[in-house]
Amino acid sequence: AQTVTQSQPEMSVQEAETVTLSCTYDTSESDYYLFWYKQPPSRQMILVIRQEAYKQQNATENRFSVNFQKAAKSFSLKISDSQLGDAAMYFCAYRSSQGAQKLVFGQGTRLTINP
Amino acid sequence: DAGVIQSPRHEVTEMGQEVTLRCKPISGHNSLFWYRQTMMRGLELLIYFNNNVPIDDSGMPEDRFSAKMPNASFSTLKIQPSEPRDSAVYFCASSLSGMNTEAFFGQGTRLTVV
Repeated sequence: AQTVTQSQPEMSVQEAETVTLSCTYDTSESDYYLFWYKQPPSRQMILVIRQEAYKQQNATENRFSVNFQKAAKSFSLKISDSQLGDAAMYFCAYRSSQGAQKLVFGQGTRLTINP
Repeated sequence: DAGVIQSPRHEVTEMGQEVTLRCKPISGHNSLFWYRQTMMRGLELLIYFNNNVPIDDSGMPEDRFSAKMPNASFSTLKIQPSEPRDSAVYFCASSLSGMNTEAFFGQGTRLTVV
C-alpha cells in the first residue's frame, strides 16, 4: 500500500518570504499523481497544485511550485512571497494511476505566516 | 456550479443515536468519495463509489457504518449506533472518472457524539 509522509507538523514563515514544505511517499508504481491541498480554518479542502509522475517538469501555479524528485520519492511544495492568506494546513496526497482514484494523504503541515 | 454540497455542517448527537450525513456531488461527476478526518488518523478514505456502485469500502471502520448512493446526485453515510469515537469531520468529494481529473471536496460535516 502507498504511504505519504509529511515530517514537519508545523512551519512558520515571515510574510513575503519563501517557505518549503516537505513530503515523501512510498510506492512501487511508476505512474501516479501527486497533489498538495490547502485546508484553511474554514475546513474547505482546496487543490493547490498537482504533478503527474510521468512529467519531468515541475508543476508551477503562480506563487506555488513543486520540487518533484521521482527517484527519491520526494514532492516538496515551495510557496514564494508568502501572504497572510496562505496560513492553513497543507496536505500532500498520492493517487494511483491504476484502479481506484482514492487519495492517500499525509498527516499535514500547519503553516503560520508571521506579519 | 455550487460545488459539492454536504449537510449538515455540524451535528451533535448522543451516543447510541443514528446519524445520517448527506452529500450532493457536482453535477456530471460520476465518482464519489467519503473521507473522515481526525487528529489521530488524519484523512482516510471510508468508501468510494463509481457510477453509483460502491467500488472500495475497505475503509469503513465497522458494521455500524453504511453508505448508499441511490442516484448520481445524492449519497448518504449513516452511523448506527453512533459512538464518541466517531466524532470527526466527514468529507464528501466528487470527480469525473479518468486519471487526469481533480477531486472536489465539500465543506465537511463536523460530527460530535457525546
